[in-house]
Amino acid sequence: DSGVTQTPKHLITATGQRVTLRCSPRSGDLSVYWYQQSLDQGLQFLIQYYNGEERAKGNILERFSAQQFPDLHSELNLSSLELGDSALYFCASSGPNRVTEAFFGQGTRLTVV
Amino acid sequence: GQQLNQSPQSMFIQEGEDVSMNCTSSSIFNTWLWYKQDPGEGPVLLIALYKAGELTSNGRLTAQFGITRKDSFLNISASIPSDVGIYFCAGHGQGGSEKLVFGKGTKLTVNP
Repeated sequence: DSGVTQTPKHLITATGQRVTLRCSPRSGDLSVYWYQQSLDQGLQFLIQYYNGEERAKGNILERFSAQQFPDLHSELNLSSLELGDSALYFCASSGPNRVTEAFFGQGTRLTVV
Repeated sequence: GQQLNQSPQSMFIQEGEDVSMNCTSSSIFNTWLWYKQDPGEGPVLLIALYKAGELTSNGRLTAQFGITRKDSFLNISASIPSDVGIYFCAGHGQGGSEKLVFGKGTKLTVNP
C-alpha cells in the first residue's frame, strides 16, 4: 500500500458527461501529480500541484482541470467526455522536497461509453 | 520537451536469466526513478537515484545514474516469474522543472 488513495476505482459514464476523480496523497506529501494511461500506453503527465499551487503542466486537455485543496487532497475534473478519454488515471504524491520520489495510487479506471 | 527513450520495448526471457534495460535522454535529468507496474495496478517505485554515477541495489535489482546525467540502466539478476510486468524509467529534468517524465516502458515476460 503506497499510502495514496484514489476514488472511485472504477467509473463508467456516457459521452458528454463530466466526472471528478479524487486523490488523497500520502501523509506529509505536498506534491500531487496526475497521469493518464491509455490501453498499453505509457504514463502521460497531465498536471502537478505543490501545496495548493499548480507547478507543472503537461498535455492536459482544456476540457480537463484539476485543483489541490488546503487539506492537500486533489481532484481531477474531466468534462465533455469523449470515447478516447477512456483510460486509467493515476495520482501520485511526493514529499516536502519538490523533486523526490513519487508514490502512486491504484488508479481510477474510466470508461466512457 | 523532455523525453525519455526506454529500451527495449519488450523482452522475453527464461527464468533465471539476467535482464538489462535502459533509458536515455537528450537532456540532463536531476533524478532517475525506476518503477514496476503490474496489470491494472499503479506503478510501484523500485529504485531512486539522485547523483550522477550512483549505483543502487534493491535485492536482485541494480540501477545506475549515468555519469552524463542523460541515462540510466536497470538490471534484474536471476529473474523469477513474478518479475513479469512493465518497467518504467522516470526522471525530473533540469531548469527547475518539477514535471516527472516517464519512458514508454519495457514489458518483461519471464518463461518458467
